[in-house]
Amino acid sequence: QKEVEQNSGPLSVPEGAIASLNCTYSDRGSQSFFWYRQYSGKSPELIMSIYSNGDKEDGRFTAQLNKASQYVSLLIRDSQPSDSATYLCAVATRFGNEKLTFGTGTRLTIIP
Amino acid sequence: ETGVTQSPTHLIKTRGQQVTLRCSSQSGHNTVSWYQQALGQGPQFIFQYYREEENGRGNFPPRFSGLQFPNYSSELNVNALELDDSALYLCASSRTLQETQYFGPGTRLLVL
Repeated sequence: QKEVEQNSGPLSVPEGAIASLNCTYSDRGSQSFFWYRQYSGKSPELIMSIYSNGDKEDGRFTAQLNKASQYVSLLIRDSQPSDSATYLCAVATRFGNEKLTFGTGTRLTIIP
Repeated sequence: ETGVTQSPTHLIKTRGQQVTLRCSSQSGHNTVSWYQQALGQGPQFIFQYYREEENGRGNFPPRFSGLQFPNYSSELNVNALELDDSALYLCASSRTLQETQYFGPGTRLLVL
């Protein structure tokens, strides 16, 4: 079992719709969770961080965390073509962020 | 822009050679982490430096080594390059161990 797994994609969503990205992790000691966006040929860019169970909203983005189910998700509302990218889920075992463990990413394409 | 810079942006080496990659962390950040991202994969943790000391290492052989300087800039050295070392090398800095990591633009290394 991989430490961090993401739905494989690619995922295609019409412009204006909601894109839903999912991630599961294996280490129950994980404390902090991150979503990074990576455009082709570029480095990862932090979108959201979440540490507590529940939802966290920032503009069009909502991160959801369920530690009991070891599940974290990212919802993108009113999807725009500029949201087309690979989305990486990253998990750290403690707030100290000794290391981030990444999933392989989900490629999202927004169709105009 | 995260304020993290890396040099060079691209590099071509041949098998068996040695390479040094450089990273300047964001002002005020004392922690630097290095990651290797192969094509189509998520970043893999190589090691982390905190106040000039190594603070954790991933599953990479000893030919991957690093340094952090008093100004908190950092180097990644790779000896005896192998074809599989071809990847995007990412540096991430954080204000301290308790803070989120922000990535630089990366160095793309090709080993022939």
